[in-house]
Amino acid sequence: GENVEQHPSTLSVQEGDSAVIKCTYSDSASNYFPWYKQELGKRPQLIIDIRSNVGEKKDQRIAVTLNKTAKHFSLHITETQPEDSAVYFCAAASGGSYIPTFGRGTSLIVHP
Amino acid sequence: EPEVTQTPSHQVTQMGQEVILRCVPISNHLYFYWYRQILGQKVEFLVSFYNNEISEKSEIFDDQFSVERPDGSNFTLKIRSTKLEDSAMYFCASKRGPTNEKLFFGSGTQLSVL
Repeated sequence: GENVEQHPSTLSVQEGDSAVIKCTYSDSASNYFPWYKQELGKRPQLIIDIRSNVGEKKDQRIAVTLNKTAKHFSLHITETQPEDSAVYFCAAASGGSYIPTFGRGTSLIVHP
Repeated sequence: EPEVTQTPSHQVTQMGQEVILRCVPISNHLYFYWYRQILGQKVEFLVSFYNNEISEKSEIFDDQFSVERPDGSNFTLKIRSTKLEDSAMYFCASKRGPTNEKLFFGSGTQLSVL
């Protein structure tokens, strides 16, 4: 089955800095890569996703990149703000069931 | 935005007891899921459910686990005889269809087995 590794487990940045979270996946059949944000005590919520037919996708201050050859994908947050503090999960899913396999999560802390 | 709701938010039980975790998926969704997250570990897939039957399940989902859609709105996860290692946050999720990949998660039930 699919295995998703995520790094780092904790990321501490100053407000205004950029943050990068990296994930690798094992199943070459995976073609859908969502990112979820989970604020303390709240449910995971989808913030951005990318499909394997594109290499990069942006939405305001967040962007995801995908390297299919290397089987890795990354989340980039620019101009971080304290409200970006949360746990971020990457996931990978293949066509058909589209059941995401999640990474371990990255706790992002943005210091004011 | 519609939400997946889960009850209870916290459940404490004794080892060996049965627990039922409840979920109300979004009303027009057809695909339902349970995930769990042991503290500090990955969010792990347990089971998916469509058309009143299990469509996929993981190795974690053994004979101690069962799921049911007892009526048109609820989706439940039953653990027959809880073990200490079942302590985790359990998330229910749903999505509209097979080609709509966005999963909507509930806020979770924190299960503590003593």
